[in-house]
Amino acid sequence: GAVVSQHPSRVICKSGTSVKIECRSLDFQATTMFWYRQFPKQSLMLMATSNEGSKATYEQGVEKDKFLINHASLTLSTLTVTSAHPEDSSFYICSASKAASLHEQYFGPGTRLTVT
Amino acid sequence: AQSVTQPDIHITVSEGASLELRCNYSYGATPYLFWYVQSPGQGLQLLLKYFSGDTLVQGIKGFEAEFKRSQSSFNLRKPSVHWSDAAEYFCAVASGGGADGLTFGKGTHLIIQP
Repeated sequence: GAVVSQHPSRVICKSGTSVKIECRSLDFQATTMFWYRQFPKQSLMLMATSNEGSKATYEQGVEKDKFLINHASLTLSTLTVTSAHPEDSSFYICSASKAASLHEQYFGPGTRLTVT
Repeated sequence: AQSVTQPDIHITVSEGASLELRCNYSYGATPYLFWYVQSPGQGLQLLLKYFSGDTLVQGIKGFEAEFKRSQSSFNLRKPSVHWSDAAEYFCAVASGGGADGLTFGKGTHLIIQP
């Protein structure tokens, strides 16, 4: 299989602090990892695409200085929400794809972020 | 820019009845099309995908979908639903040419009546 994990599954942080979310491909090497955001009862919106060792490509309207993405290895990508505000509260989901099947994305279980 | 429309926000179906979830896409070239299911508290699971070839694709859990280029549609079907099929269903499209992020529809919430 192709399993993707995320940690933590839930996190609560205070306004103004930063929080890091990890996304790991457990049994394959992920050429590309993606970060999505899902508001309650809404669809997933692509935030950014990252390739190992390269800078992430952010979608229009996503602040790269606020949502820091690091893809340091073929099995790990991290999303850091800096200076979090209540409006950053959301469900963050990562996915990963293999070099052999670029269009197949394997999704993590998501991380629920609540900023108080 | 590509887009996906799922016109039905909620659908209620009796257990054992047939199901069809609608999906229309907008994309200039041949799209890569997907259906995912999301159960509460769980991640997205791929039901099926269409890249090329036979326009009727079979997926897991008894689902199938048909790609109709003339209608820009990729509707999901199941002949007989089970209570465990209650979930959120997302249609998604990816452009060709490489590893692109997916564009998702807004989702259809499926409710199963006993």
